[in-house]
Amino acid sequence: DAKTTQPPSMDCAEGRAANLPCNHSTISGNEYVYWYRQIHSQGPQYIIHGLKNNETNEMASLIITEDRKSSTLILPHATLRDTAVYYCIVRDQYNFNKFYFGSGTKLNVKP
Amino acid sequence: NAGVMQNPRHLVRRRGQEARLRCSPMKGHSHVYWYRQLPEEGLKFMVYLQKENIIDESGMPKERFSAEFPKEGPSILRIQQVVRGDSAAYFCASSPRNPGTSTDTQYFGPGTRLTVL
Repeated sequence: DAKTTQPPSMDCAEGRAANLPCNHSTISGNEYVYWYRQIHSQGPQYIIHGLKNNETNEMASLIITEDRKSSTLILPHATLRDTAVYYCIVRDQYNFNKFYFGSGTKLNVKP
Repeated sequence: NAGVMQNPRHLVRRRGQEARLRCSPMKGHSHVYWYRQLPEEGLKFMVYLQKENIIDESGMPKERFSAEFPKEGPSILRIQQVVRGDSAAYFCASSPRNPGTSTDTQYFGPGTRLTVL
């Protein structure tokens, strides 16, 4: 299964863009990159996913490098409520049903 | 348009007792997944079920743990003879389509926090 590497923690000032990086150098051609977040031990919340192209929705933008070995989740205007653990996940190539959650990045949004 | 429901939200059991955790998927979803999260760790996949079928239980401990998703009613995760190491948050997720299709998103419930005394 493809593994992801994320920094353990990041700080961001309220109102500024939060850019969360993720390395997935062993990703294979048909695997999608998913992002979830978990706020204070609640259930993980789906944010966005993508394959090759950059994606944007009402919550965030996802930038995937051309070689697909890394991606960046962008929260354009972070608020205090965005403080959470953010998980970058690559779908298992042999068993599509599993999501492998790593340790994630703890994003601290500060006033 | 309710999301994934889990109950109870908190469950306390003494060692040796049984724990039953329930999950009602989102309306229209027929695929259910269970995950376990130990303190300060990420979620770990346990089992994937469709109605009346266990599709993948590779993450489930071989003993004491079982799961079902009957034709009617919620999915149940059952832990027999609980031990202190079973204390964790158990999350259920559901999805509407067969995994392996081009885009399959899992939506998570609020979790059940199991504490074994």
